[in-house]
Amino acid sequence: QSVLTQPPSVSGTPGQRVTISCSGRSSNIGSNTVNWYQQVPGTAPKLLISSNNQRPSGVPDRFSGSKSGTSASLAISGLQSEDEADYYCASWDDSLNGPWVFGGGTKLTVL
Amino acid sequence: EVQLVQSGAEVKKPGESLKISCKGSGYIFTNYWIAWVRQMPGKGLEFMGIIFPGDSDTRYSPSFQGQVTISISADKSISTAYLQWSSLRASDTAMYYCARSMGIEVVDPFDIWGQGTRVTVSS
Repeated sequence: QSVLTQPPSVSGTPGQRVTISCSGRSSNIGSNTVNWYQQVPGTAPKLLISSNNQRPSGVPDRFSGSKSGTSASLAISGLQSEDEADYYCASWDDSLNGPWVFGGGTKLTVL
Repeated sequence: EVQLVQSGAEVKKPGESLKISCKGSGYIFTNYWIAWVRQMPGKGLEFMGIIFPGDSDTRYSPSFQGQVTISISADKSISTAYLQWSSLRASDTAMYYCARSMGIEVVDPFDIWGQGTRVTVSS
């Protein structure tokens, strides 16, 4: 069982907007920033969003992140077929659960 | 080009020892943390531990510091980090990734990932 909680799956049609939630606690999301990783099946994870809402160079602005309290969200607008992947949130944890904790991952299916 | 290149796939028997590697290039190896992440078949990412090659400061996840016998190390002279087991179990079968921190702080996200090393433990 992961320290950060994500829905196992979400789906959407091309062009749609979807969101993926990530719920934590005061020791992780509540006091540290959240990062999001994208993993296309069969490949290594890729940093998608850092520090709650920062997009690394090369990441389309269709991807955005936000954080409020002990929860965070990843939003993907203008959904495309190549967005089909697994998405993971991660945060530093100040408690004995740490140092780093990941969410269980969310599989995005583009219908 | 900044990259991490991991050693090749391994097939081992239970009880055997193993050391896999992660070689950094294109950047100053001693200035960034290197983390190890496990992904069991069909499962999610699990943080195992992290090392700062500059001074060998190492932190482990409590999930991997107790029952699982792993050790993380680094040889800065050859820009390589290691993950090793003293006695493998079937449950260690997984893909293992190394990843570099974006900056010098241990709380920085992981911006560069290795290609992964598949470890299979079977009798």
